[in-house]
Amino acid sequence: EAQVTQNPRYLITVTGKKLTVTCSQNMNHEYMSWYRQDPGLGLRQIYYSMNVEVTDKGDVPEGYKVSRKEKRNFPLILESPSPNQTSLYFCASSSQGAGHETQYFGPGTRLLVL
Amino acid sequence: AQTVTQSQPEMSVQEAETVTLSCTYDTSENNYYLFWYKQPPSRQMILVIRQEAYKQQNATENRFSVNFQKAAKSFSLKISDSQLGDTAMYFCAFMKHLGNNDMRFGAGTRLTVKP
Repeated sequence: EAQVTQNPRYLITVTGKKLTVTCSQNMNHEYMSWYRQDPGLGLRQIYYSMNVEVTDKGDVPEGYKVSRKEKRNFPLILESPSPNQTSLYFCASSSQGAGHETQYFGPGTRLLVL
Repeated sequence: AQTVTQSQPEMSVQEAETVTLSCTYDTSENNYYLFWYKQPPSRQMILVIRQEAYKQQNATENRFSVNFQKAAKSFSLKISDSQLGDTAMYFCAFMKHLGNNDMRFGAGTRLTVKP
């Protein structure tokens, strides 16, 4: 089954404690992206990756890092989380060829930073 | 920069009735894609329907259809024969035809279908 998986689905942490949210897709997609969703703001892009070892900032990259060492994985790293990073996070992937305009979303990760 | 506006934070409709959710966007691009995504209480993002800007014909997927007005930069979603399972948050989204696949979302409309 074609899918995007994220782990963990729920996470409660404290300010300053480094964490990683994993994202994996099994569709051989070149393009992957991270979004955060906040009430009244919709989804905003944090970082994206056009292919392995190619990443770039989205609209709200401050406080986040990403890496793309393998095509299927695109982890989101919070080196020193702060309460304003409490949010719902989505990973998404899409192809660069036909159908590239359709993004497939993971189930979301709800993060609470105390 | 592209912006997407959904002016209705909340809407409700009776089961079996028809409801229309509005969306406007701002862009200087000529070729682009528009989407409606549904987010039920499970929080998953589910693609409802998509429209290519270069196609004049409005997209349709079963009970879901759009009214795409390119000159007015309007992209409304019509849900016919509303069902209780349609209760969800609905997001309108825009993506340029050529670019980094960056998708711009509106703030969302919370739709409640009442029995």
